[in-house]
Amino acid sequence: GNSVTQMEGPVTLSEEAFLTINCTYTATGYPSLFWYVQYPGEGLQLLLKATKADDKGSNKGFEATYRKETTSFHLEKGSVQVSDSAVYFCARLDSNYQLIWGAGTKLIIKP
Amino acid sequence: ETGVTQSPTHLIKTRGQQVTLRCSSQSGHNTVSWYQQALGQGPQFIFQYYREEENGRGNFPPRFSGLQFPNYSSELNVNALELDDSALYLCASSPEGANTGELFFGEGSRLTVL
Repeated sequence: GNSVTQMEGPVTLSEEAFLTINCTYTATGYPSLFWYVQYPGEGLQLLLKATKADDKGSNKGFEATYRKETTSFHLEKGSVQVSDSAVYFCARLDSNYQLIWGAGTKLIIKP
Repeated sequence: ETGVTQSPTHLIKTRGQQVTLRCSSQSGHNTVSWYQQALGQGPQFIFQYYREEENGRGNFPPRFSGLQFPNYSSELNVNALELDDSALYLCASSPEGANTGELFFGEGSRLTVL
């Protein structure tokens, strides 16, 4: 079916470690892909997006590349900070322009 | 610029009751979407309103209904509450004609059904 699958959390890392959160999707065609972030006590906010294959979205040191061959949109950051601790959601846009979401990955960064 | 605000932030109801949740969209946004987020899950699309008309609906029963007002604020109503309706209800707004997936979310209303 049409879905978004992301790695289960929590993911616990030390400050300055390299981060990867995996996300794969199933869909017809090449939908726009997104990463949203939910910081503690705050609403969801868009972190980055990519609208076509091979696009790279980037923001706040985070990057994700739209890989149509592997239907993936993995989130990466070279050096995480304690302030990156949050829940990260991968999502894709469906044909009705609604978002289909993954289950979220909780990230914990320890100083 | 005022962001998306939702009320109430928390509420507790019992099975069979009815609930109304409210949302004020971000300034300049005329499209409002509602999502249900169960604990440990991603949001599930309930419906969207554009210029006071329902403009898309997810896989939710008719007891989930909504309204959008001329000032683009919105309500989500749930009748005959069930235990499984316990969740965080998120409201998101987006600008005119934007079907880009770029949504601006409120902090949500957490509903507990006992």
